[in-house]
Amino acid sequence: GENVEQHPSTLSVQEGDSAVIKCTYSDSASNYFPWYKQELGKRPQLIIDIRSNVGEKKDQRIAVTLNKTAKHFSLHITETQPEDSAVYFCAASSGRLTGGGNKLTFGTGTQLKVEL
Amino acid sequence: GAVVSQHPSRVICKSGTSVKIECRSLDFQATTMFWYRQFPKQSLMLMATSNEGSKATYEQGVEKDKFLINHASLTLSTLTVTSAHPEDSSFYICSAEKDGSNEQFFGPGTRLTVL
Repeated sequence: GENVEQHPSTLSVQEGDSAVIKCTYSDSASNYFPWYKQELGKRPQLIIDIRSNVGEKKDQRIAVTLNKTAKHFSLHITETQPEDSAVYFCAASSGRLTGGGNKLTFGTGTQLKVEL
Repeated sequence: GAVVSQHPSRVICKSGTSVKIECRSLDFQATTMFWYRQFPKQSLMLMATSNEGSKATYEQGVEKDKFLINHASLTLSTLTVTSAHPEDSSFYICSAEKDGSNEQFFGPGTRLTVL
C-alpha cells in the first residue's frame, strides 16, 4: 500500500519568514495530494490540494508543488503569522476504491510554530 | 458548505462497555465515509471505509468485530466500539466524501476515554 513520509516533524520560524514542509510518497498511482491544518483537539481542515496533472498550485500565502518523477510534494507558506501555528499533515490518494471512496494515506505531521 | 457533525464530542465509559459514535453529513450526500483514530501527537490512522448499503472495509490490524460500522443512509455512519478497553482511549474522527468529489470533509472528532 501507499506510504507517505513527512519532514520535518517540528518547524519553528520567525513571523514573516517562509515555512516549507516536504512529503514523499511511494505509490506511483497516487494522483491526489491534499494538505491539512489541524489545531489541538480540532478537526483537520483542508488548506490546499493538488492533482497529478498539475505541478504547482497557489492560494494567497500558501502554495503546493508536486514532482511526480521524484514522488514528492511540498507545502510552502509565505509571510507566516502566529495563527499559522498548528500541525500540518500531507496526504496522498490513488483515487477511487472499488465500490467508491478516495482512501487517503496521511503523513506523520509537522508541528509548525511561528514565533513573534 | 459541506458540514460534517459527530456525536458525542466527548465520552467517558467503563471497561467492557460499548460506545456508539455517530457521523453525519449535514448538507450533502456521502456514499462513502471514513473512520480514523488519532493518538496524541500522532497522525490520523484509517480504521475503515464505510460504504452506504454495504459492509465496511477494514484496514489491516483493525478488528471488525470490535469496531462495528453501520452506514445505513447517505448521511449517517456509526462506529460502535464494543467491549472497550483503556487502550481504545483515543480521538476518533470521521470524514465524509462528497459524492462526485475527491475531497473529504472531517467531523469535529470524538474524544473517547475508557476507564
